[in-house]
Order: sequence, then C-alpha cells, then structure tokens
Amino acid sequence: DGGITQSPKYLFRKEGQNVTLSCEQNLNHDAMYWYRQDPGQGLRLIYYSQIVNDFQKGDIAEGYSVSREKKESFPLTVTSAQKNPTAFYLCASTSTSGGYNEQFFGPGTRLTVL
Amino acid sequence: GQNIDQPTEMTATEGAIVQINCTYQTSGFNGLFWYQQHAGEAPTFLSYNVLDGLEEKGRFSSFLSRSKGYSYLLLKELQMKDSASYLCAVRDRRYSGGSQGNLIFGKGTKLSVKP
Repeated sequence: DGGITQSPKYLFRKEGQNVTLSCEQNLNHDAMYWYRQDPGQGLRLIYYSQIVNDFQKGDIAEGYSVSREKKESFPLTVTSAQKNPTAFYLCASTSTSGGYNEQFFGPGTRLTVL
Repeated sequence: GQNIDQPTEMTATEGAIVQINCTYQTSGFNGLFWYQQHAGEAPTFLSYNVLDGLEEKGRFSSFLSRSKGYSYLLLKELQMKDSASYLCAVRDRRYSGGSQGNLIFGKGTKLSVKP
C-alpha cells in the first residue's frame, strides 16, 4: 500500500534536547513538506523540499532543521532553539507532474516538551 | 499578502445540509483545496477547484468564485461521522520557489453534527 508514514506517533522531550521526527513516503512524490499545527491555528509551513538534496524554509523555520538525502525520506529535527515546540507535526508529499497535485498527509507526530 | 478566513465553528443536524464558507486574498491564486480532518488525525483531501463553478463529488460539493475570492464546501445528508474540522487551503504560485506554489491554510472550521 502506498502512503506516508510518520514515527513516532507520540514523542516526549525534555527541554534542551534535540529530537528528530521521521517521515517516509512510497508514493514516488518529488515534493515533501513539514507543517506544524497548534490548537486554533491553521497548518503552518516549516520546511519544504521540491527535490532530493534541496530544501527551503517555510514561514516558521527557526529552531528546526531538515535533510533530504533520499526521495522517500524527509526527517525534521526540532532543536533546543525552538522556543515552543509542543505541537502536532504533519508531514505531507505531493506529485509535481500534473493533475490536482493535492498534498497527501502522514498520520502526524504529537510532540510534548516536558 | 495572503489571508484566508473561515468560520471557527458550526453546528448542524444529522440529515441536514451545511455550507462552510471560505474567503481568501492571495496574489498568485493557483487553486483551492478542501480537506477534512478528524481530531488527532491527518487531513484528507476532499475537493479541488481552480476554475469558477461547482464541483460535485457524492455528498460533498465545492464552489469557487475567483473574482470574489470566495469558496464554499457543501455537505449534504449529514452523518455523525462528518463531525470534523474542514480546512480551506489556497495554492499561491508566488508562495514558493516551485512552479505550482505552496498551500496556505485557513484555521479550519470545526463542524459538529448532532442527532
């Protein structure tokens, strides 16, 4: 079955620690995205990547880092520099070859900083 | 700049029809998406409009007027499982380095369906 997987589903972190959220897709999509969702807020774009070995900052990239070494994988690291990291993190991917090019979302990771 | 507005919450009765509105202001409009999101889950794609008019897909329809910067999602024959948040998202070709544009999301409309 094709889709996007994120792990873990729930993650707890102590203040001052870096943590990496996994995102893998087997949809053969070129573009991948990371969003953050807070209560009462829309999805906000953290980073995106249109192609392997290239990525761009979104609206709220400060305190986050990403890599795109493989087409299938786009991990997000939440660093200790992120002042308010507790949130629901969603990874998405899309084809860029035509059609609607809707974004497909993974199940999300809920990060809680203790 | 970009701005997307939709009501925060709505309530409707099982079996009824509900219309969720979305207004937007963007500089490089390149399509509008509606997503459904159940609490704690991933958004799932419902509909896409890029030209003016109505797109129908089963119990769900979506309408777009580009000149008015307006869209609505119409849900018919409401079921309890339709209780969810509905996200309006606009693709803006100026909002990314790519050719198609990234999505700008509204804050979502939480729909509660009551018996």
